[in-house]
Amino acid sequence: QKEVEQDPGPLSVPEGAIVSLNCTYSNSAFQYFMWYRQYSRKGPELLMYTYSSGNKEDGRFTAQVDKSSKYISLFIRDSQPSDSATYLCAMSESGGSYIPTFGRGTSLIVHP
Amino acid sequence: EAQVTQNPRYLITVTGKKLTVTCSQNMNHEYMSWYRQDPGLGLRQIYYSMNVEVTDKGDVPEGYKVSRKEKRNFPLILESPSPNQTSLYFCASSLYRGHEKLFFGSGTQLSVL
Repeated sequence: QKEVEQDPGPLSVPEGAIVSLNCTYSNSAFQYFMWYRQYSRKGPELLMYTYSSGNKEDGRFTAQVDKSSKYISLFIRDSQPSDSATYLCAMSESGGSYIPTFGRGTSLIVHP
Repeated sequence: EAQVTQNPRYLITVTGKKLTVTCSQNMNHEYMSWYRQDPGLGLRQIYYSMNVEVTDKGDVPEGYKVSRKEKRNFPLILESPSPNQTSLYFCASSLYRGHEKLFFGSGTQLSVL
């Protein structure tokens, strides 16, 4: 079993829908939680960054971390076709080199 | 403009022919790393470097070499490429550590025939 599990999708939604993307993990030492967005043929770019538990909001995006359940989520409100991309969760422990472990990514398609 | 530059973008080679993929960042970042991305497997770290002359293995280092002689450059070397190294490769950097915001290059699509 991988340390980080993420459903690869694809997830197809109509424009304007609320999107929920999720990852589960097994390593209780993870403290830093990140979401990266990757457009086709491009490198990933950081979207959201959270330390420990709780919520973080940035515009249409909300990241949630539930450490008791080892579950993180990314919500996208009022989804747009430009949100169509692959979303990668990543997480790392506190200490040492802090090497992040990535999920496989979820492909999201927002159709007009 | 702050960026991570990888070259080449596309590379087709044959088994056993040594190759180097270059990576350079202009942000004075200490941490640099290489990843490969394969369908169904996601991003897997090959090597990383915490600073000049400091490198360490990631999850899948076999068949790869790296060097960090200057802070800005972190080349990936395949001494004897094999078909199972056909993949999309990304270089990334961050200010100090891997849990911080990683800046990724645009990728190098490598095909080994």
